[in-house]
Amino acid sequence: GALVYQYPRRTICKSGTSMRMECQAVGFQATSVAWYRQSPQKTFELIALSTVNSAIKYEQNFTQEKFPISHPNLSFSSMTVLNAYLEDRGLYLCGARAPGLGVEQYFGPGTRLTVL
Amino acid sequence: QQKVQQSPESLIVPEGGMASLNCTSSDRNVDYFWWYRQHSGKSPKMLMSIFSNGEKEEGRFTVHLNKASLHTSLHIRDSQPSDSALYLCAASLNTNTGKLTFGDGTVLTVKP
Repeated sequence: GALVYQYPRRTICKSGTSMRMECQAVGFQATSVAWYRQSPQKTFELIALSTVNSAIKYEQNFTQEKFPISHPNLSFSSMTVLNAYLEDRGLYLCGARAPGLGVEQYFGPGTRLTVL
Repeated sequence: QQKVQQSPESLIVPEGGMASLNCTSSDRNVDYFWWYRQHSGKSPKMLMSIFSNGEKEEGRFTVHLNKASLHTSLHIRDSQPSDSALYLCAASLNTNTGKLTFGDGTVLTVKP
């Protein structure tokens, strides 16, 4: 079956520091990977969408300078939260799609970021 | 401006009862609607998706879609305490992109 792993599951960083999180598709080749952030109030925001053979598209309020993403192959993506502050707290979810598996977007378990 | 609105924000139903959740998109370009369930501390899991007008049923779950009004609803019959969770509605422009726009969710509590 299609699985998406995320690492780490939880992380704590000091305000102003950076942290990197990873997303791995297992059992399928992800043609697109979307990074979302779910705030402590449970609101979902799309950060960026990374599609094979296309440039990474960032949503309004999110920039490559703040959330650089690397998507080197069809099974792996990583995102870094640079210079993290309190408003960056939340659950960072990676959603991967593979059209051959239908239209569903498979989510990983998320990386929960706490900023002190 | 929130493009996907869900209502109610929270809902309490007795065990065995019917739960009805609503979702409307303000973006006329959307084509697909998705319903996800997220238990506390877990990641969202897709329940059902719908893109055609009408109704789709899977077990205790039924989804309706009215494309003219861009309104979808999720109905859970014979609700169980294990159905207690955050229910998220998402919309996408088409199935070729991985971009989902989520609503703020409905917190469902099923009381034994």
